[in-house]
Amino acid sequence: DQQVKQNSPSLSVQEGRISILNCDYTNSMFDYFLWYKKYPAEGPTFLISISSIKDKNEDGRFTVFLNKSAKHLSLHIVPSQPGDSAVYFCAASVGAGNMLTFGGGTRLMVKP
Amino acid sequence: ETGVTQTPRHLVMGMTNKKSLKCEQHLGHNAMYWYKQSAKKPLELMFVYSLEERVENNSVPSRFSPECPNSSHLFLHLHTLQPEDSALYLCASSQDLASGRGETQYFGPGTRLLVL
Repeated sequence: DQQVKQNSPSLSVQEGRISILNCDYTNSMFDYFLWYKKYPAEGPTFLISISSIKDKNEDGRFTVFLNKSAKHLSLHIVPSQPGDSAVYFCAASVGAGNMLTFGGGTRLMVKP
Repeated sequence: ETGVTQTPRHLVMGMTNKKSLKCEQHLGHNAMYWYKQSAKKPLELMFVYSLEERVENNSVPSRFSPECPNSSHLFLHLHTLQPEDSALYLCASSQDLASGRGETQYFGPGTRLLVL
């Protein structure tokens, strides 16, 4: 049973518009959430994270929102750029440490 | 070379073959990980090593055998694999197992494995 789910396998957005990627989780013990970005032929790279004590974290064009009651988080990219085209993975962990549970990924395509 | 490297990048093997995947990290990290990414599935954590000791084995079949001879190198030995083992195998490293949060995990580019 998948504890972290990304229900949209792909998303297409026009350059300059907002991209919203969604992630749901079932394990209420998760208390830290991360987004990774993966280009073809490369490994995933860390993008942004959020602790369960917060509901929002912002880093430049990237903002992650956490709704603990709904067990839902989202990644907003504003404005979207063609270079943002990649697969985005949501991940979660329990407590300190680096044991991550990943979602299946969402492929984002930003069209010029 | 910098970061985390993996060789080979692509591998095709028969079900009776024995092969090994290699991972090397040049970051001075103490923890290393093997992940499997099958088509349309999430990344699955397979093995975790901390200071060359295996600390996690997520019910991985014995046809996958990890080896960590030192903190910079991690191998995944493969034997009598099945076609359903075809996947992208990713290696990652972090400073320590519990040094902080997931952002300290650095991934290699992966080995694309096809089992015929």
